[in-house]
Amino acid sequence: ETGVTQSPTHLIKTRGQQVTLRCSSQSGHNTVSWYQQALGQGPQFIFQYYREEENGRGNFPPRFSGLQFPNYSSELNVNALELDDSALYLCASSRGGILGPDEQYFGPGTRLTVT
Amino acid sequence: AQSVAQPEDQVNVAEGNPLTVKCTYSVSGNPYLFWYVQYPNRGLQFLLKYITGDNLVKGSYGFEAEFNKSQTSFHLKKPSALVSDSALYFCAVRDEGGANNLFFGTGTRLTVIP
Repeated sequence: ETGVTQSPTHLIKTRGQQVTLRCSSQSGHNTVSWYQQALGQGPQFIFQYYREEENGRGNFPPRFSGLQFPNYSSELNVNALELDDSALYLCASSRGGILGPDEQYFGPGTRLTVT
Repeated sequence: AQSVAQPEDQVNVAEGNPLTVKCTYSVSGNPYLFWYVQYPNRGLQFLLKYITGDNLVKGSYGFEAEFNKSQTSFHLKKPSALVSDSALYFCAVRDEGGANNLFFGTGTRLTVIP
């Protein structure tokens, strides 16, 4: 098991609502990445935070937003939820920032269901 | 643009036999390549990575992978499969010059038959 934790484990929301997912990074890691894994697919990169700044973003609309805190934990916020947002949301932490090929360590994920 | 292809959705192998899970990649520069494994209702677990150096990389749980630049491949291998190896395997790549985010393949489900 990695030292990355995520909460909540499961979440059910209604279309149009807003949701906040949380992630605590592994000790010593200053970078957090968020991924969306739809059923039967590989994870897709949402964005990355390095030292509290967004450090890269995938092909996701602005209603997906995030924060990183001084202790390097992070939040993913999704506004105006759509049915297609139903997925497993994975948080991963690593030591590097924009440089360094450090492997990412993943949390167990949050399963979001939008009805 | 970066991309990864895992051409097999499903691989079945008998326990004790060698296994191979295939991966090919496309990046504009030098690749950093990773293999992860996902068990049911769990996050991804890191197995191994290739950054530079020897083309044969050894990782966790007896897995290894062979980097082949000319074929742009990074196949995952294990000499003797265990039933407990049954899981979903993902290959991932990032570009040497890019941000530290990974591009994943669609995954290969490995089933080891007792």
